[in-house]
Amino acid sequence: GAGVSQSPRYKVAKRGQDVALRCDPISGHVSLFWYQQALGQGPEFLTYFQNEAQLDKSGLPSDRFFAERPEGSVSTLKIQRTQQEDSAVYLCASSLDGLQGNEQFFGPGTRLTVL
Amino acid sequence: GQQVMQIPQYQHVQEGEDFTTYCNSSTTLSNIQWYKQRPGGHPVFLIQLVKSGEVKKQKRLTFQFGEAKKNSSLHITATQTTDVGTYFCAGRNAGNMLTFGGGTRLMVKP
Repeated sequence: GAGVSQSPRYKVAKRGQDVALRCDPISGHVSLFWYQQALGQGPEFLTYFQNEAQLDKSGLPSDRFFAERPEGSVSTLKIQRTQQEDSAVYLCASSLDGLQGNEQFFGPGTRLTVL
Repeated sequence: GQQVMQIPQYQHVQEGEDFTTYCNSSTTLSNIQWYKQRPGGHPVFLIQLVKSGEVKKQKRLTFQFGEAKKNSSLHITATQTTDVGTYFCAGRNAGNMLTFGGGTRLMVKP
């Protein structure tokens, strides 16, 4: 497809379970971003990749959150031992290259609900 | 850290009325982007402003970047029901990270 895709679109987890969220960026896009969006709020930055290198992970809320992009394309955001406060929409975005100013193309998001 | 605030949080307008949302950053920005998120959708890029005092127009939408590069505004003239959604500003400092404001949710009564 032409856009950013994410899977699953919806995920319900029991507290304490591990989850893995997948992002397929637009082909050829160098930069990939993960955001967390709580209901009624703006996206909050989690982490950023340029190709396979994770250049900024300052937004990850705890060491339970881990992201990777091993081959510089698909990325996975993993959350270990999920907590109720992790419930949110997780958005992935990609942009053409690492230069400032490129627009970010967002995927549809994964809505995570932790019971 | 950098904070980006938007006001108002919500705005109800009658179709045909104008609408403005304001964005303020705690730090000087290198550039600012605006995104629109329809209900149930994901953010979609609208525009980027880079220069101090810059003004850009897209049909009924007018975007401004303040002289100090710490604030911005989006003005919509003669709103239509298709304008419904949440408008986010997102500021970028020296790095490649975008800091999003809380958004302004626009509701338009036909």
